[in-house]
Amino acid sequence: EAQVTQNPRYLITVTGKKLTVTCSQNMNHEYMSWYRQDPGLGLRQIYYSMNVEVTDKGDVPEGYKVSRKEKRNFPLILESPSPNQTSLYFCASSSLAGGLQETQYFGPGTRLLVL
Amino acid sequence: LAKTTQPISMDSYEGQEVNITCSHNNIATNDYITWYQQFPSQGPRFIIQGYKTKVTNEVASLFIPADRKSSTLSLPRVSLSDTAVYYCLVGYMDSNYQLIWGAGTKLIIKP
Repeated sequence: EAQVTQNPRYLITVTGKKLTVTCSQNMNHEYMSWYRQDPGLGLRQIYYSMNVEVTDKGDVPEGYKVSRKEKRNFPLILESPSPNQTSLYFCASSSLAGGLQETQYFGPGTRLLVL
Repeated sequence: LAKTTQPISMDSYEGQEVNITCSHNNIATNDYITWYQQFPSQGPRFIIQGYKTKVTNEVASLFIPADRKSSTLSLPRVSLSDTAVYYCLVGYMDSNYQLIWGAGTKLIIKP
């Protein structure tokens, strides 16, 4: 089954404790992206990647890191989480066959609480 | 400044047709308009995509006027299960190409 998986689905942590949220897709997609979703603000892009070893900042990259060492994986790293990073995070992937307007497939989300 | 604008919320009743409009004044010439649906505790999922005039699939229709500065998602005969948040996604070309999501329209269907 074609899917995007994220782990963990729920995470409670404390300020300053490094964490990684994993994202994996099995559709051989070139494009992968991380979003955060906050009430009233919709989806805001954090980072995206057009292919292996190619990453770029989205709208709200501060406090986050990503890597794309393999095509299927795109982990999101919070080196020193702060309470304002409490949010719902989504990973998404898409083919680039038709450009950036190709359908994005989303993971189930990771709900993060930073105390 | 490129912006994708849609109403924050809408209410309707079962069996009615619902139309949600998205404004995108500066859409890139060659870009499409895409709509996604999101249920609580799930990621958004693709509904429909179009470039101009009208597109219809088994779920919805998308109407795009000639100037492409807006688009309307039409859901025929809605049911309670259509209660969700609907997002409009459009591409813009400024100094570089960027995709901009609307803030989402929360649609509530009442019995």
